[in-house]
Amino acid sequence: GAGVSQSPRYKVAKRGQDVALRCDPISGHVSLFWYQQALGQGPEFLTYFQNEAQLDKSGLPSDRFFAERPEGSVSTLKIQRTQQEDSAVYLCASSSVGQRNQPQHFGDGTRLSIL
Amino acid sequence: AQKITQTQPGMFVQEKEAVTLDCTYDTSDPSYGLFWYKQPSSGEMIFLIYQGSYDQQNATEGRYSLNFQKARKSANLVISASQLGDSAMYFCAMSENFGNEKLTFGTGTRLTIIP
Repeated sequence: GAGVSQSPRYKVAKRGQDVALRCDPISGHVSLFWYQQALGQGPEFLTYFQNEAQLDKSGLPSDRFFAERPEGSVSTLKIQRTQQEDSAVYLCASSSVGQRNQPQHFGDGTRLSIL
Repeated sequence: AQKITQTQPGMFVQEKEAVTLDCTYDTSDPSYGLFWYKQPSSGEMIFLIYQGSYDQQNATEGRYSLNFQKARKSANLVISASQLGDSAMYFCAMSENFGNEKLTFGTGTRLTIIP
C-alpha cells in the first residue's frame, strides 16, 4: 500500500510479557518516528531513525523499551516486561528528509492493552 | 524546550459555519515548522496544513487556513464552511528545523459539528 502500515492493530498482553510492534513506512522515506499516545492526550515522541541509524531515543520511557530498524526500512518497537502504564496507542510516522513542508505521515497505530 | 498550548478542550459548531481552533507555541529555535493534524475516532492521524517560521504568507489548503501571527507565537487553524465529517480531534504540533525533527504536540481540541 501507499501509506504507513502498522501491525498488529490491537495487542492485548499480560503484565510482564514482552511485546513487539511493527511499522512499515512509506517506500523511500528515510525518516521514521515512534510516538506514544495515552488516552485523551496528544502523541509523545519516543524515538527517531534516519535510515538504520537511531538518532534520537530521548523519549523512550525506560530501558524496557527498545527500537530497531536494521535495514533502514521496517522498524520494530519492543517492550519488555510490560507494565500497565504501557497501555497506549503506539503511532509510527515516516517522512522524507531534508526538505521543508514534508509532513510526517502516520500509520493507524497499534492499541496496546496490558492486563 | 518546545511547548504547544491548545486551550480549547472541546468546541461545538453549527454545520456550514467557520471555526477557529487556537494554538500557541513556545520555542527558542528560529527555524521551526508548525503543523495541524486531524484525528477522527477511527484513530488515524491525518496531516492538514503546514507553516514554516519564515513563510511570509499564511498557509492555505482547501477549506483549511493557518492564521500565523509570529510575534504572538500563535498558529490558529481556521476551517471554513464546516462539514459533519470535520468532527474529530485536532492537534497542533511543531518541529525544529522546519519540520524535519520530532513533533511536539498539544493536548488537542475535540471539534463537534452540529447538523
